[in-house]
Amino acid sequence: DGGITQSPKYLFRKEGQNVTLSCEQNLNHDAMYWYRQDPGQGLRLIYYSQIVNDFQKGDIAEGYSVSREKKESFPLTVTSAQKNPTAFYLCASSPSSATQYFGPGTRLLVL
Amino acid sequence: EDQVTQSPEALRLQEGESSSLNCSYTVSGLRGLFWYRQDPGKGPEFLFTLYSAGEEKEKERLKATLTKKESFLHITAPKPEDSATYLCAVQRNSGGYQKVTFGIGTKLQVIP
Repeated sequence: DGGITQSPKYLFRKEGQNVTLSCEQNLNHDAMYWYRQDPGQGLRLIYYSQIVNDFQKGDIAEGYSVSREKKESFPLTVTSAQKNPTAFYLCASSPSSATQYFGPGTRLLVL
Repeated sequence: EDQVTQSPEALRLQEGESSSLNCSYTVSGLRGLFWYRQDPGKGPEFLFTLYSAGEEKEKERLKATLTKKESFLHITAPKPEDSATYLCAVQRNSGGYQKVTFGIGTKLQVIP
């Protein structure tokens, strides 16, 4: 089955801790994206990557980092510098800036 | 700055009661307008992409239409399983990465 997988489904972060959210796709899409979803707000773009070994900051990149070493994978690290990390994180992919397809999401909670 | 405004914020329908959701947008050069369905605690599920004014697309009980300023998602004879939040998004037509701007969504509840 082709699709986008995200893990874990739930993630708990302690104060001062870095955590990494996984995103994998087997759709052979070039572009991948990370969004954050908060209640009462539209999806906000954190980072995007249009090609392997290249990525760009989105609108709210502070406190986050990414890598794109493989076409299939685009992990997101939430660093201790992100002071308000509690949110629903969504990964998406698309065939070169066309329609984006989303994964199931990861809910990050702070202990 | 691109903007997407969805209305109403919430809509409650009786099963079989048809209605429409509105998505008003401002964007400098529309590349595409997207509709997604999102169930609680899940990722958005792609429904439609519309590219130009006058275009219409249908899927089961859903029909999406597009004008130069807004899009409508018409729901005909809805069923309880159509209950979800419906998201609208627009993509700007520009060189390089074409940013996608999302609306907050319309939460639809269909009562049996």
